[in-house]
Amino acid sequence: SQKIEQNSEALNIQEGKTATLTCNYTNYSPAYLQWYRQDPGRGPVFLLLIRENEKEKRKERLKVTFDTTLKQSLFHITASQPADSATYLCALANAGNNRKLIWGLGTSLAVNP
Amino acid sequence: SAVISQKPSRDICQRGTSLTIQCQVDSQVTMMFWYRQQPGQSLTLIATANQGSEATYESGFVIDKFPISRPNLTFSTLTVSNMSPEDSSIYLCSLGWGKETQYFGPGTRLLVL
Repeated sequence: SQKIEQNSEALNIQEGKTATLTCNYTNYSPAYLQWYRQDPGRGPVFLLLIRENEKEKRKERLKVTFDTTLKQSLFHITASQPADSATYLCALANAGNNRKLIWGLGTSLAVNP
Repeated sequence: SAVISQKPSRDICQRGTSLTIQCQVDSQVTMMFWYRQQPGQSLTLIATANQGSEATYESGFVIDKFPISRPNLTFSTLTVSNMSPEDSSIYLCSLGWGKETQYFGPGTRLLVL
């Protein structure tokens, strides 16, 4: 069966450390994968997109990797800050004409001062 | 990027009633979508709101339960009909800005008693 899974347990880290979040998928052939941030009571906010032929993408303190062999994407926040505390969602678009986004449940990140 | 607003931001409704949620964008956009985010569940696409024609519904969602209007390129409504407690959820409209990235409204938090 098709699945997209993120760490279900909340991640707690100290300010200044690197946060690493995981997104694994099964029985999909993603054309691309995206990461979003969601704060309580708000809609998701787009962060980064990485395509199937890309290994790594960076944006300021954010880095995303994509390993199609392991069927996994890792999302890193370096020099984390308390303001980075939120839920982070991954979403993939399956290859094909209808690239509907399939969403993970999200991982809650808490950065402690 | 566009500014997206939703009304109401939250509501508490009695079972058997209907609620219409509005989504307004400050610029013309081609693709608008409606999502549901139930407690403990991932974001689920309800339908694509098509301007000037009937919405395109995803599997498991029907027009009688979730009628959608899209009278122009800046506005759409989603009605949740004949509500039951299972309809308690956050409802989000979104734009497919570059066909890949999704931009979301702030959401409507609905509680059905």
